[in-house]
Amino acid sequence: GAGVSQSPSNKVTEKGKDVELRCDPISGHTALYWYRQSLGQGLEFLIYFQGNSAPDKSGLPSDRFSAERTGGSVSTLTIQRTQQEDSAVYLCASSLAASGDEQYFGPGTRLTVT
Amino acid sequence: AQSVTQLGSHVSVSEGALVLLRCNYSSSVPPYLFWYVQYPNQGLQLLLKYTTGATLVKGINGFEAEFKKSETSFHLTKPSAHMSDAAEYFCAVTPGGYNKLIFGAGTRLAVHP
Repeated sequence: GAGVSQSPSNKVTEKGKDVELRCDPISGHTALYWYRQSLGQGLEFLIYFQGNSAPDKSGLPSDRFSAERTGGSVSTLTIQRTQQEDSAVYLCASSLAASGDEQYFGPGTRLTVT
Repeated sequence: AQSVTQLGSHVSVSEGALVLLRCNYSSSVPPYLFWYVQYPNQGLQLLLKYTTGATLVKGINGFEAEFKKSETSFHLTKPSAHMSDAAEYFCAVTPGGYNKLIFGAGTRLAVHP
């Protein structure tokens, strides 16, 4: 079956612009996660969704970052007023539900802020 | 707070040699432990995981890891390295009952002929 997909695969934007990153999880997976991978910070957790609600947003680095999930499926990560330090690969993952379930990762969106 | 330390950001082995990638964790609750592999320009793929039960866990591609609570370690091993094993390896922990993955900094494995 289809894995986790993310779009776009690459995004170049100018400093100060808003960007939206999309994640399509595996069908039937109720849990969805966003992570960020950057040279300086490694792999960092951003936010976790269970269904459409986000019980853990503790990893969002600032109020410029927000995310939503609709229909228990697609999720969008929005970064407002992008800064150069936002440049990174944004990874989405999904899992069936329970703690300890394997998280399946998408290929990521490489964001470059110029 | 939970954390993961991977000793050695770069490891180089000869083809056919033993692979040993080290991971130590800190967790205030019984952890679930994972090893993921990332090939160049690809996403993360699960190699193996420990949740409960047998402490020696076998994964894909001939890798295995042993959970040692007394040493707070979860080292990854493979008896004989292949060229195709060259990749970056990440150890991760989730505090028991919670899904957020906390990753180590990663170890880049190089395999030379």
